[in-house]
Amino acid sequence: QQQVKQSPQSLIVQKGGISIINCAYENTAFDYFPWYQQFPGKGPALLIAIRPDVSEKKEGRFTISFNKSAKQFSLHIMDSQPGDSATYFCAAGELEETSGSRLTFGEGTQLTVNP
Amino acid sequence: DGGITQSPKYLFRKEGQNVTLSCEQNLNHDAMYWYRQDPGQGLRLIYYSQIVNDFQKGDIAEGYSVSREKKESFPLTVTSAQKNPTAFYLCASSKSVWSPNEQFFGPGTRLTVL
Repeated sequence: QQQVKQSPQSLIVQKGGISIINCAYENTAFDYFPWYQQFPGKGPALLIAIRPDVSEKKEGRFTISFNKSAKQFSLHIMDSQPGDSATYFCAAGELEETSGSRLTFGEGTQLTVNP
Repeated sequence: DGGITQSPKYLFRKEGQNVTLSCEQNLNHDAMYWYRQDPGQGLRLIYYSQIVNDFQKGDIAEGYSVSREKKESFPLTVTSAQKNPTAFYLCASSKSVWSPNEQFFGPGTRLTVL
């Protein structure tokens, strides 16, 4: 049962363009929404994260937009560069009373930025 | 140099054999996690541990076992009961499982069953 749906599965963008990746969730108990970046053969690394009390968070060229009512959030990469070519995962976290916090990941988006 | 190490990077196993994947962290994190990554399916949680000598099943624990005898170590055993073990396995850690903190990932182990 996939609780976090991510799209598109793959994305090709020209250098300097804007990359947009979308995620939707169902569980209203989620209260933490991170994005991870993964290069081939490596483990994912945290890129940026947001809590549901804000609608947008920006760090450099990376912005998360969050729509609580629609249960959707997205990653925008401005001025995309070839070095941004990687797989991006959205995730959602919830704190369970007895077992603690855990993340549910989306299926991933393979981004290719052409020079 | 702090971080998470996983070994080996590549592992080959014959059907019917158990195999243990190593995960060590020197970040002094309480929580540790094991994920399985398959193409097009994202990361799926196998097991996680809040503290030494305690661990919880994740979404796909069947055919796997773990131990947490030391804070810095969280080995994963893939048993012969796991029907489709070929995958990329990722270990992660975070400061605490009681708040949504950043999870730091190791470089992964690619397991192939021959």
